[in-house]
Amino acid sequence: EAAVTQSPRNKVAVTGGKVTLSCNQTNNHNNMYWYRQDTGHGLRLIHYSYGAGSTEKGDIPDGYKASRPSQENFSLILELATPSQTSVYFCASGETKVFFGKGTRLTVV
Amino acid sequence: QQQVRQSPQSLTVWEGETTILNCSYEDSTFDYFPWYRQFPGKSPALLIAISLVSNKKEDGRFTIFFNKREKKLSLHITDSQPGDSATYFCAASDYGGSGNKLIFGTGTLLSVKP
Repeated sequence: EAAVTQSPRNKVAVTGGKVTLSCNQTNNHNNMYWYRQDTGHGLRLIHYSYGAGSTEKGDIPDGYKASRPSQENFSLILELATPSQTSVYFCASGETKVFFGKGTRLTVV
Repeated sequence: QQQVRQSPQSLTVWEGETTILNCSYEDSTFDYFPWYRQFPGKSPALLIAISLVSNKKEDGRFTIFFNKREKKLSLHITDSQPGDSATYFCAASDYGGSGNKLIFGTGTLLSVKP
């Protein structure tokens, strides 16, 4: 089965600090996604990409940047982390069948 | 605004009953509708999917019914089992178009009691 690897799996960050969440897939998928999951909100799309060098805004992009330097890697960057960004973040890749990483639990204090 | 809506928010059924989960959408460009299942503490995983060309998709105990005119879908789980207890997400994509955006609903938390 296709593998999507996220790092770190857990992160505690300070308010105002910079956070980078990394995602790697070796399935040669064109599409990659970043979601955050919060109780009552389901999975909300932050940014997505359809290939190396491309990034597109999802439904909740404010406060987040994304980078897709290669087919395999897709990063989510929080330049100035805020407590409201405390959440579980999922990276995913795929086209008709999308595979999810195991998630990153981010706590901003 | 929520582009994909799901109901109910949570549901409890008895083992052996048929579970019905509902989903609706607004964007007419959506043409592919996967359902994902997430067990507690795990990542979502694809369960079953349907496209605009079909009205029904069946896979074992799981069936999607699709009313294109009303932009509504439902996932039926027959002979529900305690192992089906999970959160179910309906999603939508414009796969035939730009094919890149995958939007999820807020999910339905299903509990199946033995």
